[in-house]
Formats: sequence, C-alpha cells, structure tokens
Amino acid sequence: RKEVEQDPGPFNVPEGATVAFNCTYSNSASQSFFWYRQDCRKEPKLLMSVYSSGNEDGRFTAQLNRASQYISLLIRDSKLSDSATYLCVVNKGDSGYALNFGKGTSLLVTP
Amino acid sequence: NAGVTQTPKFQVLKTGQSMTLQCAQDMNHNSMYWYRQDPGMGLRLIYYSASEGTTDKGEVPNGYNVSRLNKREFSLRLESAAPSQTSVYFCASTANSNQPQHFGDGTRLSIL
Repeated sequence: RKEVEQDPGPFNVPEGATVAFNCTYSNSASQSFFWYRQDCRKEPKLLMSVYSSGNEDGRFTAQLNRASQYISLLIRDSKLSDSATYLCVVNKGDSGYALNFGKGTSLLVTP
Repeated sequence: NAGVTQTPKFQVLKTGQSMTLQCAQDMNHNSMYWYRQDPGMGLRLIYYSASEGTTDKGEVPNGYNVSRLNKREFSLRLESAAPSQTSVYFCASTANSNQPQHFGDGTRLSIL
C-alpha cells in the first residue's frame, strides 16, 4: 500500500463549483498533515496545515479523520486561479524528518 | 524574503559530466531536503539532512551525493550524469519534522 494515496483526477469543474479532494495515509504514527498546491512546472507551495479539529482558510476547508487515516480538502466557489495540482502531505511520524507526498490531484476550473 | 534559493535554474549536461546543484535557506531551518520530480510523477526524496552535520539517504539516492556545508547550505552532486537523471530538482527546508517544508523554485536539469 502506498504511504499517501490520492485520486489523480483530473477534476474538471465550472467556476463557482464546490469540489472535494480526498487522501488516505498508511502510517498511523503520522502527526502532521498538510495540503500543498503545485502549479505546472513550479515548486509546491503550502496551502494549509490540517489540524485534528478541522480548519478553514477562506474558501478552503481541511478535515482530518485519524481513525480512518483520511484527509480531505474542500474548495468552495472555485476560481479559475484554483486550477493546479493539490498534494496531500503527511509526515513519517516515528521515523522523523521526512514527509510523504501524495502524487497529487489535478484540478481544472473552467469558465 | 528569499526563503530557499536554488542555483542554477536551468542546466544542460552531457552524459558523464558532473555538476553540483546549490541550495541555500535564510530561515534558520534545521532540516534540508533534495527531491526530484519527473513528468507526471510525484516528488521523490533523494537525500535529506535532519540537522547540520548529518545526511541520510531518501528513496532514490543512487547516482547522487550531498554535502551539508553549514546550516544554510545543502548541495547535491551528480558525479557522472546519466539521461535517467533528467528531471526537475527541488530543495526544501523546515524547522522541524512537524512543520511544513518550504521549497525553492527548482533546477531544471537535462542530460543528453
């Protein structure tokens, strides 16, 4: 089983739509969770950290379910500028300093 | 706010040539990382340095060496470049294992 699994998509949605991405992780010792955004041929950029109680940043909401080892990202009122690849990222927990990156979910928002 | 700076941004090499990719961070981070990303693929960890003076292999270390020169700088060396090493290379840093990593804008390397 891969350490971090995401649906690769692509997700094609119209502007203004709500879209949700899911991610599962295999290491129950993982303690830190993040969503990154990566534009074509650019570096990954932190979108938001994911906290146990769930958290929101504007149009973006992240949820964590430790029991199911499941993370989600909800984007409301999609903008054209949201088109990118979204990476689910989980730390390795007991083995310290590395992060496990999912391969990403591609989102295309269309006019 | 420079963050993580990588040089060069682009490089073309011939098979068998050597080169060093440079990375520096100005955030006083303890840990630094080198990744490669191939088209349509996720990030793969090559090497990392948890703290100054230590380095460890990642998922795909073969064909590479690293040096943590000081707290700020972490270099990646290709001793004898091969076409399979054509990729985009990202350097990242973080304060500790529970914090997110910050990335440089990458080095695009082509090996002919």
